[in-house]
Amino acid sequence: GQNIDQPTEMTATEGAIVQINCTYQTSGFNGLFWYQQHAGEAPTFLSYNVLDGLEEKGRFSSFLSRSKGYSYLLLKELQMKDSASYLCAVRSNAGNNRKLIWGLGTSLAVNP
Amino acid sequence: GAGVSQSPSNKVTEKGKDVELRCDPISGHTALYWYRQSLGQGLEFLIYFQGNSAPDKSGLPSDRFSAERTGGSVSTLTIQRTQQEDSAVYLCASSGPVSGNTIYFGEGSWLTVV
Repeated sequence: GQNIDQPTEMTATEGAIVQINCTYQTSGFNGLFWYQQHAGEAPTFLSYNVLDGLEEKGRFSSFLSRSKGYSYLLLKELQMKDSASYLCAVRSNAGNNRKLIWGLGTSLAVNP
Repeated sequence: GAGVSQSPSNKVTEKGKDVELRCDPISGHTALYWYRQSLGQGLEFLIYFQGNSAPDKSGLPSDRFSAERTGGSVSTLTIQRTQQEDSAVYLCASSGPVSGNTIYFGEGSWLTVV
């Protein structure tokens, strides 16, 4: 089957660094997304990785290893507003459709 | 439009009534997705449209749910004979080559069945 695993909850301190891991098993691979979702709001796009390596965008970085089926989202200089759910999603390429497979999200609480 | 637009943003309906939810994707996006998310839960895939291909309906939970996409743009999700368990936020998303296949979500339609 196809699935994505990520921790359910994480806690970190304001100003610190946190790494949210995501592992996946899919029938195909055509890119991995990270989204941020604040409570009661729609998911917003953070990053997209299709090749191995690290993509850096401000305080947020995302890493991908296709051979290991592994990604992480790195958040630096944490702020209170970073408290949210972080969703990992993989675009598989099964058949003629390109569906996203979503993880259940990691709920991050940033404490002062 | 500039972003994915959904309407209504909030809908309260009586059990047994039909509801229609509308999604207007980003202009030029060929792929359109409908998801459902219950409070505190993950995203549940419902249906996927890609260009003129037959839609992938594998996520629709029952035959009370249907969706169409007219002219390759606007989509309507219809829920017939609503039940209380249908209460959730229904999220529409679109993607396409104009945005590097990144998926963008609308603000959602919050459905409450009473």
